[in-house]
Amino acid sequence: NAGVTQTPKFQVLKTGQSMTLQCAQDMNHNSMYWYRQDPGMGLRLIYYSASEGTTDKGEVPNGYNVSRLNKREFSLRLESAAPSQTSVYFCASSEGPDLGQPQHFGDGTRLSIL
Amino acid sequence: AQSVTQLDSQVPVFEEAPVELRCNYSSSVSVYLFWYVQYPNQGLQLLLKYLSGSTLVKGINGFEAEFNKSQTSFHLRKPSVHISDTAEYFCAVSRANTGFQKLVFGTGTRLLVSP
Repeated sequence: NAGVTQTPKFQVLKTGQSMTLQCAQDMNHNSMYWYRQDPGMGLRLIYYSASEGTTDKGEVPNGYNVSRLNKREFSLRLESAAPSQTSVYFCASSEGPDLGQPQHFGDGTRLSIL
Repeated sequence: AQSVTQLDSQVPVFEEAPVELRCNYSSSVSVYLFWYVQYPNQGLQLLLKYLSGSTLVKGINGFEAEFNKSQTSFHLRKPSVHISDTAEYFCAVSRANTGFQKLVFGTGTRLLVSP
């Protein structure tokens, strides 16, 4: 039972490079999310997809784009990486629509931008 | 908009002692409240949640939390902690009954359990 799978687990980029973080869930969930986690700041929502075919900005969307490829997959793209985007990125999913269903998280992608 | 405050960034405690991790929230509308736990190099796992009804909520691993609407708090408690409870704990809030859940997280409390 994989749950939410994120790839890669670690990545080092140079400033200006581009990269796509992949996320897939096998729980038939409708909603998917991308967060970033920085020390002392908790988790902040970057983008979310309430259902297949829709995406919306979260709290910190600048510098990122997303694609909801199908119901299972939700990718996050950094077009031109900056050192400020060094962070741990988490993908999550939930049944949706919201009646208090919990979000299920992947193990994260640790990204360093030099 | 909703917000969450976790006043304690770190809580050291001895094994088998009780612990309380504090969480206060701010919202002008009804909310759902959650506690998540994060072990090193892992994602977040749900400990417990409050949606409605009884204000005392029991979760996994012996944790419980009490919703206090008048004090806008949702403190997490455990009567006797184990070494394995060492982790970071996040309180989160979402607006209730909106049709879509956007969680707002606190900054986290690191629980350090020593022998």
